[in-house]
Amino acid sequence: DAKTTQPTSMDCAEGRAANLPCNHSTISGNEYVYWYRQIHSQGPQYIIHGLKNNETNEMASLIITEDRKSSTLILPHATLRDTAVYYCIVRVGGGNQGGKLIFGQGTELSVKP
Amino acid sequence: GAVVSQHPSWVICKSGTSVKIECRSLDFQATTMFWYRQFPKQSLMLMATSNEGSKATYEQGVEKDKFLINHASLTLSTLTVTSAHPEDSSFYICSAATGVGEAFFGQGTRLTVV
Repeated sequence: DAKTTQPTSMDCAEGRAANLPCNHSTISGNEYVYWYRQIHSQGPQYIIHGLKNNETNEMASLIITEDRKSSTLILPHATLRDTAVYYCIVRVGGGNQGGKLIFGQGTELSVKP
Repeated sequence: GAVVSQHPSWVICKSGTSVKIECRSLDFQATTMFWYRQFPKQSLMLMATSNEGSKATYEQGVEKDKFLINHASLTLSTLTVTSAHPEDSSFYICSAATGVGEAFFGQGTRLTVV
């Protein structure tokens, strides 16, 4: 699975949009981009995933560049409860192996009042 | 999303004893579950892939005789830490994938070996 690079930490003001970047320059054509987050001492929470089109759900939006070498997770109106470590993971999607996720160090997002 | 439940949420055990952690998919069947461990201030590390009805597949460096995995049904996988020692103290997390490949995680089990 392709390796990802994320900033170690980011700050965001409450109520503002949080834009979390991820580089995955070696991504393969059949690899999806997944985003998870982990709030302290809890299991990771699925946020969103995509292949090449931009995706949006009730939690966030995922913007994938045309060459698929990078993506951005957008939390449109960050709240204090969005403070967490955000993980960007690329892997082949679907099927039983879809749960085999290799986690990098992620981005520690701090939402401040 | 789908629900994965782990039990217990935390456990304290004496050095040399064994501890069993359960992972259940509550509203879907999972032929494959995954076990991770996480040390403080570190990321999740995949330990093994648990396959229903067959032997687990362990990642390099993970002792299969120490971390026994059983996946007896489509909704239950167990991880037994045998002869636990203080260095096994960690946060253990399981996950299960739905048919479309989204993985959902349990809430984790905090193991402290004293």
